[in-house]
Amino acid sequence: GEDVEQSLFLSVREGDSSVINCTYTDSSSTYLYWYKQEPGAGLQLLTYIFSNMDMKQDQRLTVLLNKKDKHLSLRIADTQTGDSAIYFCAERGYSGGGADGLTFGKGTHLIIQP
Amino acid sequence: SAVISQKPSRDICQRGTSLTIQCQVDSQVTMMFWYRQQPGQSLTLIATANQGSEATYESGFVIDKFPISRPNLTFSTLTVSNMSPEDSSIYLCSVFGMSGTGELFFGEGSRLTVL
Repeated sequence: GEDVEQSLFLSVREGDSSVINCTYTDSSSTYLYWYKQEPGAGLQLLTYIFSNMDMKQDQRLTVLLNKKDKHLSLRIADTQTGDSAIYFCAERGYSGGGADGLTFGKGTHLIIQP
Repeated sequence: SAVISQKPSRDICQRGTSLTIQCQVDSQVTMMFWYRQQPGQSLTLIATANQGSEATYESGFVIDKFPISRPNLTFSTLTVSNMSPEDSSIYLCSVFGMSGTGELFFGEGSRLTVL
């Protein structure tokens, strides 16, 4: 089945940029997503990118997609303490019978150092 | 964005009992998804609930353990049957947004602890 891989932890200094990476295996992926989950909270959709795009920017967030390598990244500029959370990469496939639910990575814990 | 309400938000259950989780959406949707998030883990899709047809279960999940109802286009229930401590998880209901760009919105989740 489809697989989404992320590194489990990333530690950055406050004010630096954070880059969270993700790889996926489903070549039929139509959309790719980044979700944020703060402790004890639900999932918040941060941004998404359609598979025929290679970059999307939204304020401090930049998503890069390399479809050939099936590699997705999320860059957070000027990382703040409020960015401390778990970030989930997810992909939406298309099985031919219709759009599928999302497949999630295990999540990357972003740790902010003062 | 869709507004999704889940009940209960949390519960403590005894081994061997069953619990039904309700999910209400503020708009009509064709597909509703049920996910499980075990402690410290990512989200795993349990099943897709389409109105008017049987739910489609992912590998490793069966209808006898997780029966699903989908009586109309705004509501679904997930039952966790004959619970064991391994079923302690957050169960999340989700739907696609209306914009057509494929984003998935989640309810706040139902946190179940099985003793």
